[in-house]
Amino acid sequence: LAKTTQPISMDSYEGQEVNITCSHNNIATNDYITWYQQFPSQGPRFIIQGYKTKVTNEVASLFIPADRKSSTLSLPRVSLSDTAVYYCLVGQIGNNFNKFYFGSGTKLNVKP
Amino acid sequence: GAVVSQHPSWVICKSGTSVKIECRSLDFQATTMFWYRQFPKQSLMLMATSNEGSKATYEQGVEKDKFLINHASLTLSTLTVTSAHPEDSSFYICSAEGAWSYEQYFGPGTRLTVT
Repeated sequence: LAKTTQPISMDSYEGQEVNITCSHNNIATNDYITWYQQFPSQGPRFIIQGYKTKVTNEVASLFIPADRKSSTLSLPRVSLSDTAVYYCLVGQIGNNFNKFYFGSGTKLNVKP
Repeated sequence: GAVVSQHPSWVICKSGTSVKIECRSLDFQATTMFWYRQFPKQSLMLMATSNEGSKATYEQGVEKDKFLINHASLTLSTLTVTSAHPEDSSFYICSAEGAWSYEQYFGPGTRLTVT
């Protein structure tokens, strides 16, 4: 199982771009990289998912280098409401389902 | 679309009793659902994988006789905490995987407090 390592916490200010890097050195060939956001006492919310290179959606971008041993979630112009825990997950695909093992996550604190 | 609900959102029970938590995929069918547990200020811990029409697969260290999982239909999985004790107090979260992607859709969670 590919284990992920993220910074425990990060601080930022409103309007800044935030980049959260995740290390997954033993990622397998058929693993996807997925990022989730979680607010206190709520279930995680999907942010973005990718396999390689760059993926962008309306809320974030995901950068994955060629060796896929790390990935970076980029949140443009964060606001106070982006204060949450962000989890990087590497999932086993195939065999009809995708199991997720959550790491410690990164607690992002956005200040005014 | 792709909404997962849980019921109840919170429950308080006495030690020794059993509690059932429901997880429903409201607008899609999910052959596979997952159950997680989260203690305060900690990450989510995968407890088991629930497959429709078959026995659940439990993660190492999770007692299958204590945490009974039933996935009787493509839209409903239930987790029953049997003979609950205060140490079972936690936030229980389910998720369901859509057939069209590898994304998991999470429920809002159920706060269980055992007194």
